[in-house]
Amino acid sequence: EVQLVESGGGLVQPGGSLRLSCAASGFTFIDYWMSWVRQAPGKALEWVATINKDGNQKYYVDSVKGRFTFSRDNAKNSLFLQMDSLRADDTAVYYCVSLVAGFWGQGTLVTVSS
Amino acid sequence: QAGLTQPPSVSQGLRQTATLTCTGNSNNVGYEGAAWLQQHQGHPPKTLSCRDNNRPSGISERFSASRSGNTAFLTITGLQPEDEAVYYCSAWDSSLSGWVFGGGTKLTVL
Repeated sequence: EVQLVESGGGLVQPGGSLRLSCAASGFTFIDYWMSWVRQAPGKALEWVATINKDGNQKYYVDSVKGRFTFSRDNAKNSLFLQMDSLRADDTAVYYCVSLVAGFWGQGTLVTVSS
Repeated sequence: QAGLTQPPSVSQGLRQTATLTCTGNSNNVGYEGAAWLQQHQGHPPKTLSCRDNNRPSGISERFSASRSGNTAFLTITGLQPEDEAVYYCSAWDSSLSGWVFGGGTKLTVL
């Protein structure tokens, strides 16, 4: 069974940092490009970032470029999203996803508020 | 970044057929097709169809996807109450080097 389990969400003040993690199992992790997708309360889905199989190609939505860093550890079947200089409009549920294969995690809530 | 266009809402009767649309351009939907997702309130999205129009294991045959040019379609036959949900489309955009999503269509089963 495919599983993507996110962790690391929580409440953080504006300007602060958080590191999200995603543990993958049930599929050959190294064969897939992976992504983070977020959903602000009551809003539509928004793509955040994508990483290739090797981790040496990364793509980001304009609003997070320079603030978020996406990485992966294929030996540990894990993904990481380092989020710095957080803003109120980053508040959302963050999903770990393989958009090509259609695998979605349950999501982790990030709240940026003072 | 520009997204895909979906009608905000669609209503159709019980046991009828609904067809949802997702319009993009030659860099996204017209490039490699669109995936379709279903999301019930308070739950994560579930993939109904991948970009190649194939259904993941466990998805009902009542859901079928297709594409014509820059528009993708999701057809749902024999509508059931549990089909009430928000439906999203997504596609890789080769000019943006990123994924784009539609704004979602809320399907109401009458």
